[in-house]
Amino acid sequence: QVQLQESGPGLVKPSETLSLTCSVSGGSTTTYYWNWIRQTPGKSLEWLAHIYSSGYTNYNPSLRGRAAISVDTSKTQFSLKLNSVTAADTAVYYCASGYGFFDFWGQGTLVTVSS
Amino acid sequence: EIVLTQSPATLSLSPGDTATLSCRASQNVNTYLAWYQQKPGQAPSLLIYAASNTATGIPTRFIGSGSGTDFTLTISSLEPEDFAVYYCQQRSNWLYTFGQGTKLEIK
Repeated sequence: QVQLQESGPGLVKPSETLSLTCSVSGGSTTTYYWNWIRQTPGKSLEWLAHIYSSGYTNYNPSLRGRAAISVDTSKTQFSLKLNSVTAADTAVYYCASGYGFFDFWGQGTLVTVSS
Repeated sequence: EIVLTQSPATLSLSPGDTATLSCRASQNVNTYLAWYQQKPGQAPSLLIYAASNTATGIPTRFIGSGSGTDFTLTISSLEPEDFAVYYCQQRSNWLYTFGQGTKLEIK
């Protein structure tokens, strides 16, 4: 069974770049789609981006070009960078696997944007 | 962007009851619809994919149905561990969206 674990700073200053990494175990990042999803306090879920092992990516247009997703197949990790963050980017960020639906999820990591 | 509207926002039932949760899409999503359960402090977990296929390890009391724009998640004989928040999610090309959730609470 695939297991995912997010890591990254819990606090980011406004206008800076949020960087998160998802470590994958029990599976290979050389196949399949890898996703980032966030959940803002008291609100629903928002899909942010996905990447296939070939490097094919797609992003939610709501991010307005601020995001970059990458995969390191040698380390079985994938990452998300989100620049020019504001308080609106404060959320629990999840990594997840799947295309069409999300079958395995990390436990989530809270990122707070504040000075 | 396809909008998913879930109803009701909150559903109050007792263990042993049957829960019926609705998800309506603003456009046709065929059967590209999934359902998730989320308990406090946990990540969502997949229940149903492709509208009616039960994910591995999910009890048979969880049944998904529908196609096009109208979908239903039915949970029969509610167990105490079923009280949680439920989300629907669709895939339109490569853009995914979620509903706002239905909270299933104990009456």
